[in-house]
This record gives sequence, C-alpha cells and structure tokens, in this order.
Amino acid sequence: SQTIHQWPATLVQPVGSPLSLECTVEGTSNPNLYWYRQAAGRGLQLLFYSVGIGQISSEVPQNLSASRPQDRQFILSSKKLLLSDSGFYLCAWSVLGGENTEAFFGQGTRLTVV
Amino acid sequence: RKEVEQDPGPFNVPEGATVAFNCTYSNSASQSFFWYRQDCRKEPKLLMSVYSSGNEDGRFTAQLNRASQYISLLIRDSKLSDSATYLCVVTMEYGNKLVFGAGTILRVKS
Repeated sequence: SQTIHQWPATLVQPVGSPLSLECTVEGTSNPNLYWYRQAAGRGLQLLFYSVGIGQISSEVPQNLSASRPQDRQFILSSKKLLLSDSGFYLCAWSVLGGENTEAFFGQGTRLTVV
Repeated sequence: RKEVEQDPGPFNVPEGATVAFNCTYSNSASQSFFWYRQDCRKEPKLLMSVYSSGNEDGRFTAQLNRASQYISLLIRDSKLSDSATYLCVVTMEYGNKLVFGAGTILRVKS
C-alpha cells in the first residue's frame, strides 16, 4: 500500500533562519507531488507541484523553493524565513486517473516563525 | 479571479437538516472535480469524486455543471459528525495540477 511521510510535525524557527521540509512517498512510482500551505482559518494554497524528477512548477513567487531529487522525494526549502511563512504545510501525492484521481496528504508540518 | 471559489460560510444547521454547498471554477479546461473534507488541524481527505453524470454516496450527492462551471455538494440528514470544512478541488494542466478552494465551514448543532 502507498504511504506518505512528512516531517517534522511541528517546527518553530526564528525569522531569517533556513527551512527544509521533506516528504517521501512509498508504494507508488512516478507520482505527482505537491506542496500546499494553509494559513490559520484559510484554505490550501498550492505552492509547488512536480510531475517528475527535477520538474517543478511554481505557483506562488516568494522566498520558498522546491526540489525533487528522487522520484518519491519532494523537498520544500527557504534560505531565510519570514514571519508570513508561518502556517500548516502539507505534502500530497497523486497518480493521474481521470475522475478517480485522488490526492493523498501527509500529516502536515505546523511551522511557526518567531 | 480565483481559480476555485467557495462560500466560506460558516453554515450553521440543526441535526437532520439538508445543506448544499456550491463551488465555481474559472478554467473551462478543468478536467476532474472532487470534494474533500478537512477536520480541525488535520490533513484533508477525499470525500467523493464528482462525476460528469453526478453521483451519490449515502447521504452525500455531488453534481457537476460544466456549462456554468460549478459543482455542488448536497448533504442530507446532517449529523453532528458532519461538522468540518468542505473543500472543492479542481484539476488543471491535464490533471497534473490540483487546486483547492478556500473551503466551506459546516457546523451541525444538536
């Protein structure tokens, strides 16, 4: 069966510090991978998605970046965090299946920038 | 204009009520449509896909209107456990990009 691992679950970082969040998927090949951010009381904002190794589509220009060094690994990074980067970060994967395409989410990382 | 728009609510309804949510999308080339449910401080989980012909799963009915570019979710006989945020999801870019609406909050009260 497929599983998705995302860590850490909670993170408190000072302003200006770097960030690296990692997400790995097991049990599937060539998945689409996604990073979303959810501010408190708000919806999910798509940050990046990837259809293959090294292929990254950026949806929101800001001080975050994403990389996909391996088929089932997706990394979200920042060189210098801002207060506005606080939020609930969710990694997800999907495999195209038309009307049956389903996205599966990791348990998320709650980031607080102080 | 946002790619996917939903009424944020909250919808406060009594147990047993019928409630309906709508969601509109801007890209007429969107391929697939879904409703997700998100409980407080948890990750979203798939509630149901929205098929072109409409579909029903127990108390839940989803419909798609491509001409008007909206999808709907109807919940009958609301339960306390239905209280959650309901997220509309639309795929774009040949199904590779999943875009979520901001969500509609439902509160079912006894």
